[in-house]
Amino acid sequence: KQEVTQIPAALSVPEGENLVLNCSFTDSAIYNLQWFRQDPGKGLTSLLLIQSSQREQTSGRLNASLDKSSGRSTLYIAASQPGDSATYLCAADSGGGADGLTFGKGTHLIIQP
Amino acid sequence: EADIYQTPRYLVIGTGKKITLECSQTMGHDKMYWYQQDPGMELHLIHYSYGVNSTEKGDLSSESTVSRIRTEHFPLTLESARPSHTSQYLCASSAYATNEKLFFGSGTQLSVL
Repeated sequence: KQEVTQIPAALSVPEGENLVLNCSFTDSAIYNLQWFRQDPGKGLTSLLLIQSSQREQTSGRLNASLDKSSGRSTLYIAASQPGDSATYLCAADSGGGADGLTFGKGTHLIIQP
Repeated sequence: EADIYQTPRYLVIGTGKKITLECSQTMGHDKMYWYQQDPGMELHLIHYSYGVNSTEKGDLSSESTVSRIRTEHFPLTLESARPSHTSQYLCASSAYATNEKLFFGSGTQLSVL
């Protein structure tokens, strides 16, 4: 059964710093890996989706990479801003129907002004 | 901007009441999902649907039921609410093809007294 782990569970950094969030998964047979953002008491917003054949995806200041062989994905945030404060979740899609999507518990990120 | 809506946003009810959580999307997505999320924890899939008249249970045992009579509408019903049902319920949808992003509603925060 797929397991997804996110480290660290919480992170607090000063504004302007570049930072990396980590996501690891136990079963490398995935279709894709998605990164989401969740604001307090809200639903999730999809940030980036990396297909299994891709190595990375970029959107603005965000860059996500995928290394299937090692079971790892990273989300790089450049020049962090207070508005980036949120919980970031990753989810691995192992296929086989809707229950093939396994979520991590998330990294709670605080950007200090 | 995703067009998926959940109502009510917050609900406080007494034990034993029957409740229905509404979810609608205007994107024409075939796949729809219900997830349950407790604070600081990962999302757990409780129900999903691949289209009209198609519903399946997810990996988390749930006493709720769902229906999919129209493509855009996927309501979740609890026949007799209990305090153990207190949680955040998130509805999501995606297009049918593989490697499609998942879009979430804002969630319903349910408290059963």
